[in-house]
Amino acid sequence: SQQGEEDPQALSIQEGENATMNCSYKTSINNLQWYRQNSGRGLVHLILIRSNEREKHSGRLRVTLDTSKKSSSLLITASRAADTASYFCATISGGSYQLTFGKGTKLSVIP
Amino acid sequence: DAGVIQSPRHEVTEMGQEVTLRCKPISGHNSLFWYRQTMMRGLELLIYFNNNVPIDDSGMPEDRFSAKMPNASFSTLKIQPSEPRDSAVYFCASNYGQGREKLFFGSGTQLSVL
Repeated sequence: SQQGEEDPQALSIQEGENATMNCSYKTSINNLQWYRQNSGRGLVHLILIRSNEREKHSGRLRVTLDTSKKSSSLLITASRAADTASYFCATISGGSYQLTFGKGTKLSVIP
Repeated sequence: DAGVIQSPRHEVTEMGQEVTLRCKPISGHNSLFWYRQTMMRGLELLIYFNNNVPIDDSGMPEDRFSAKMPNASFSTLKIQPSEPRDSAVYFCASNYGQGREKLFFGSGTQLSVL
């Protein structure tokens, strides 16, 4: 079953704009991760945020986590055409080893 | 580092045939996962190995699916007999530890069962 649900399902923006994707989940988590998948390729890990963290940055990426609302957001600043991909959130809960993925947000950045 | 290597990249077969997918994890990683990705169901975990031992195979859809990890550098996922509903992209992923942090994915095998 899906733990994380991304919103929106699809997003189209102009190059240079910021892109924000949201993820909601159902049960308490240990950590939440974001992955990127380019068309026809495997998933690539972007960033991990732990349940006791509220915000993390990595280059042009900013991730926030609100455990009270069971939600996270991924912000990509100054988007580039190369950012065109699907973005997935994934969560780990309790003592589980199983990373559970949402269905993703498909981002299109128009040059 | 070559990353996680999967083969073949594409497989087209006829219903009823046996299909074997292969995976070489990153050297030093001791956790290996097989995932299946479809438009309808997204990414589903099929099986998880730790130190070459299958820990959880509850995601394997039915007895037609089997997976092995004979050593730390090789794993196979076999479907026998294959059915059209098995058509999907199959990913192998690995990491060190018990899989709770960053996963490294292969490029996947696109399986089409006609």
